[in-house]
Amino acid sequence: GAGVSQSPSNKVTEKGKDVELRCDPISGHTALYWYRQSLGQGLEFLIYFQGNSAPDKSGLPSDRFSAERTGGSVSTLTIQRTQQEDSAVYLCASSFQGGEGETQYFGPGTRLLVL
Amino acid sequence: QKEVEQNSGPLSVPEGAIASLNCTYSDRVSQSFFWYRQYSGKSPELIMSIYSNGDKEDGRFTAQLNKASQYVSLLIRDSQPSDSATYLCAVNDDAGTALIFGKGTTLSVSS
Repeated sequence: GAGVSQSPSNKVTEKGKDVELRCDPISGHTALYWYRQSLGQGLEFLIYFQGNSAPDKSGLPSDRFSAERTGGSVSTLTIQRTQQEDSAVYLCASSFQGGEGETQYFGPGTRLLVL
Repeated sequence: QKEVEQNSGPLSVPEGAIASLNCTYSDRVSQSFFWYRQYSGKSPELIMSIYSNGDKEDGRFTAQLNKASQYVSLLIRDSQPSDSATYLCAVNDDAGTALIFGKGTTLSVSS
């Protein structure tokens, strides 16, 4: 079946602009995760959605970052007033139910460059 | 906050050799451990998961877990140039949901 899809694949924006990144998880997966991968920083967790539960936002780096998940499927990560340090690859992953030990399947990522 | 440590490398091995990738983790109660492979410019792809002490084999790959030493490793036998990639070690966070990743070890297999 289809894997996790993300759009856009690349985004170049100017400092101070808002951006929206989209993730479409694997069909039937109720758990969805956003991660960020910066040069030299590794993969960092941002936010987690599971079904209709309140999201775990503990990884969001500032209040400029927010995310929503509509209808338990597609998710949008929004970064307001972008800064140069927001430049990174934003990866979305999904898993079947979100439990301990579950395999997370990653999408191709959105490469964000803030000028 | 849990931490995962890996040697950044690069680890260079000749084709056909065994590549040994190591990872240590800070939280003794961690239960689930994962090895992901990431080719340059691509997203991470799961290679192995391991939950119990000992070895787990899948083809040319063997994951080894030692919870007493808080150590997990990945052995790649008969290394191929196509194995050249960054290998990421990960554990579940305290909630058992998100993954905490090491910074990865870059492996280079020369033909």
